[in-house]
Amino acid sequence: DAGVIQSPRHEVTEMGQEVTLRCKPISGHDYLFWYRQTMMRGLELLIYFNNNVPIDDSGMPEDRFSAKMPNASFSTLKIQPSEPRDSAVYFCASSGDRGSPIYNEQFFGPGTRLTVL
Amino acid sequence: ILNVEQSPQSLHVQEGDSTNFTCSFPSSNFYALHWYRWETAKSPEALFVMTLNGDEKKKGRISATLNTKEGYSYLYIKGSQPEDSATYLCATGVANRDDKIIFGKGTRLHILP
Repeated sequence: DAGVIQSPRHEVTEMGQEVTLRCKPISGHDYLFWYRQTMMRGLELLIYFNNNVPIDDSGMPEDRFSAKMPNASFSTLKIQPSEPRDSAVYFCASSGDRGSPIYNEQFFGPGTRLTVL
Repeated sequence: ILNVEQSPQSLHVQEGDSTNFTCSFPSSNFYALHWYRWETAKSPEALFVMTLNGDEKKKGRISATLNTKEGYSYLYIKGSQPEDSATYLCATGVANRDDKIIFGKGTRLHILP
């Protein structure tokens, strides 16, 4: 398996523009997590899905952020409109082919480095 | 709110020396403790997932211990090498019916040649 795939790897956009980040989890994993990494907060969980259903979105900063998982092999994280404070590295991770991800390692994608000017 | 603390925040170690650092977590309602290594410009990779009090895991020169009663885990690196330079993250599960883990801010390890 190719591992978790994320695109794009880098995104530079202007304030107010819509940004869509994409993730393809490892086949067979039924949990998918979106994280954001910043200097101030470290690695923080934004939202996670189980079997394509959003379970906990309490980490989503505000209504400008939305995430979908239309099928088991694809998820998107959308920011509309984007703001400079959204600049960060966004990671997608998948887990759970052997039960709850609490007890199993998560596999991270390479991340998307987002810069909002 | 679950608080996972890691110390020190940053550490410089001479190549060849051994080192260790700490992850502290609430000891009540413990489920599992994860350690990840995160090299610069890469993504985090799992080292260990530990669940049992007193458990010790080892991968090459890296090992970890777990004390769930007092709420801490140590990560040890024996004979540090330049490739050990990375940020080491720990994370712990939140609740039995919640499948997310909460990460600490990490210990940044620099190996000096």
